[in-house]
Amino acid sequence: DAGVTQSPTHLIKTRGQQVTLRCSPKSGHDTVSWYQQALGQGPQFIFQYYEEEERQRGNFPDRFSGHQFPNYSSELNVNALLLGDSALYLCASSFGQINEKLFFGSGTQLSVL
Amino acid sequence: AQSVTQLDSQVPVFEEAPVELRCNYSSSVSVYLFWYVQYPNQGLQLLLKYLSGSTLVKGINGFEAEFNKSQTSFHLRKPSVHISDTAEYFCAVRRYNQGGKLIFGQGTELSVKP
Repeated sequence: DAGVTQSPTHLIKTRGQQVTLRCSPKSGHDTVSWYQQALGQGPQFIFQYYEEEERQRGNFPDRFSGHQFPNYSSELNVNALLLGDSALYLCASSFGQINEKLFFGSGTQLSVL
Repeated sequence: AQSVTQLDSQVPVFEEAPVELRCNYSSSVSVYLFWYVQYPNQGLQLLLKYLSGSTLVKGINGFEAEFNKSQTSFHLRKPSVHISDTAEYFCAVRRYNQGGKLIFGQGTELSVKP
């Protein structure tokens, strides 16, 4: 049984570019949450997707957007990249919107030069 | 709003010694409490959680934590650590009705030395 898978594992972009990160939830899960983890910090909640809609959002600008597909997989898009967007982006999945059992992927390391 | 403070950024300890990683939280509403572990180049793995009931919670790998409502603390303990416990540990809280929205502390780096 595959867990949460994220792609790519590493990515290098330059300022001003756009990036798309992908996440496949654990089998049987229907809810995906995204987190940003800057170096030396705890993860920060970006948003949560359930039934193909954004259900909750953290304190991130509109440059951060997402999508959830009918197969429950999800994408995180970041426009107009800034140096400060360099971080590990983690995806977490669960069954149900309020389930406390979150399973995390290994993340995508984004470097913005 | 909720916040989490992990009182130690780094905790060095010798193998087979006991360890305590401290976590305090602030919240105006009732919350669930969690401890996660992150090994190098990996995602987060749930160690244990407090939802309700007994204030002493046992988790995986021999870890346990005690919820103290009056002191708003949720400290993580292990009576005897192993080299393999070397990792980053995160305390987190979540409001009852906000499923995916965990609020994390800054993390505590546990370094177990032989």
